Amino acid sequence: GDSVTQMEGPVTLSEEAFLTINCTYTATGYPSLFWYVQYPGEGLQLLLKATKADDKGSNKGFEATYRKETTSFHLEKGSVQVSDSAVYFCALSPSPGGNNRLAFGKGNQVVVIP
Amino acid sequence: NAGVTQTPKFQVLKTGQSMTLQCAQDMNHNSMYWYRQDPGMGLRLIYYSASEGTTDKGEVPNGYNVSRLNKREFSLRLESAAPSQTSVYFCASSPREQGANTEAFFGQGTRLTVV
Repeated sequence: GDSVTQMEGPVTLSEEAFLTINCTYTATGYPSLFWYVQYPGEGLQLLLKATKADDKGSNKGFEATYRKETTSFHLEKGSVQVSDSAVYFCALSPSPGGNNRLAFGKGNQVVVIP
Repeated sequence: NAGVTQTPKFQVLKTGQSMTLQCAQDMNHNSMYWYRQDPGMGLRLIYYSASEGTTDKGEVPNGYNVSRLNKREFSLRLESAAPSQTSVYFCASSPREQGANTEAFFGQGTRLTVV
């Protein structure tokens, strides 16, 4: 079935550092891809999305490009702030005709140190 | 703009007790979901409802039942709570466009402790 894999382990970095979180997926057809962010004690919020190959989603300085050839959707931010500390989830929505269930990665805790 | 509303926000149960977690969305979405979130496990799908009157099991349905009461409401019931069901529970909904679900909208979560 459709699945999403995120890199293992938390990510700790200093303020103004460059952030990359890797995400790869397995799916048939042309799924839509998403990044969600979860701040402490809250639900998940959509951060950005891309619905077709080569689309770039962007929001709040974060970017991710839908790469069908490598089945990837890596999240990047050029200069992180302490306020970016959160858990980040990669997710996909199957293309029509699939099981219609969203698939989530396990999430990555990001800690930004002042 | 309420979005997805879950109640209660916190709950402590004794082993063997039953309870129902309520979820309602006001966005006229077709699909609704119940997930549980545990440390190191990410989000795991408990049940999914593609439309009013239909429900499907997810990854971890044992010990739970659901009801899609109408298009707005999707409840999750624990018939006999166990300590292993201590978790944070999230309800979500998503619209469907051209036959596929788009992004999900999440509630704030219910933090359940079973002692």
